[in-house]
Amino acid sequence: DGGITQSPKYLFRKEGQNVTLSCEQNLNHDAMYWYRQDPGQGLRLIYYSQIVNDFQKGDIAEGYSVSREKKESFPLTVTSAQKNPTAFYLCASSIDSQGSNTEAFFGQGTRLTVV
Amino acid sequence: GQQLNQSPQSMFIQEGEDVSMNCTSSSIFNTWLWYKQDPGEGPVLLIALYKAGELTSNGRLTAQFGITRKDSFLNISASIPSDVGIYFCAGGVSGGGADGLTFGKGTHLIIQP
Repeated sequence: DGGITQSPKYLFRKEGQNVTLSCEQNLNHDAMYWYRQDPGQGLRLIYYSQIVNDFQKGDIAEGYSVSREKKESFPLTVTSAQKNPTAFYLCASSIDSQGSNTEAFFGQGTRLTVV
Repeated sequence: GQQLNQSPQSMFIQEGEDVSMNCTSSSIFNTWLWYKQDPGEGPVLLIALYKAGELTSNGRLTAQFGITRKDSFLNISASIPSDVGIYFCAGGVSGGGADGLTFGKGTHLIIQP
């Protein structure tokens, strides 16, 4: 089945540790995105990538890093510099962020908790 | 950046009632999308609108792309318990939306039996 897969579903991190969230898509989409969701705050853009080996900061990039070495993969690393990392993280993809079709499809999310 | 105002923030309704929610913006969008998110899951696309004035249905859901391109509404008729969740609107700008969609903050729908 075509889709976008995030793993793990739940992740626990100790303070001071870096963790990496996985996002893989087999939709052949060019654009991929990472959002953070906190209760009552909607979706906030962390990073996005329009093409392999290129990515841009979103609205809340501090304390996060990404890579886009393959078209189908866009992992997100939550670093120790992120002061409040406990949140629900959503990965999304779209055919082409600059084309006429801007529909985005989401993964099932990763809930990160700092313990 | 662009902002979307989505209202209401939450709705408490009885099963069987109709539901209406909307999004407005100070900016023009070329695309309006409506998503539903169940607890602990990612948002799922419900309806996509691409033309000003367009009215589209998906089962009991109906959405419209405002003529001014600055607003959209979503109606749910005869609500059922599985309609519970958070509904998000999203606006897109083709040819210039390099950072993707702009999302509203969501409408939390709660249905009382």
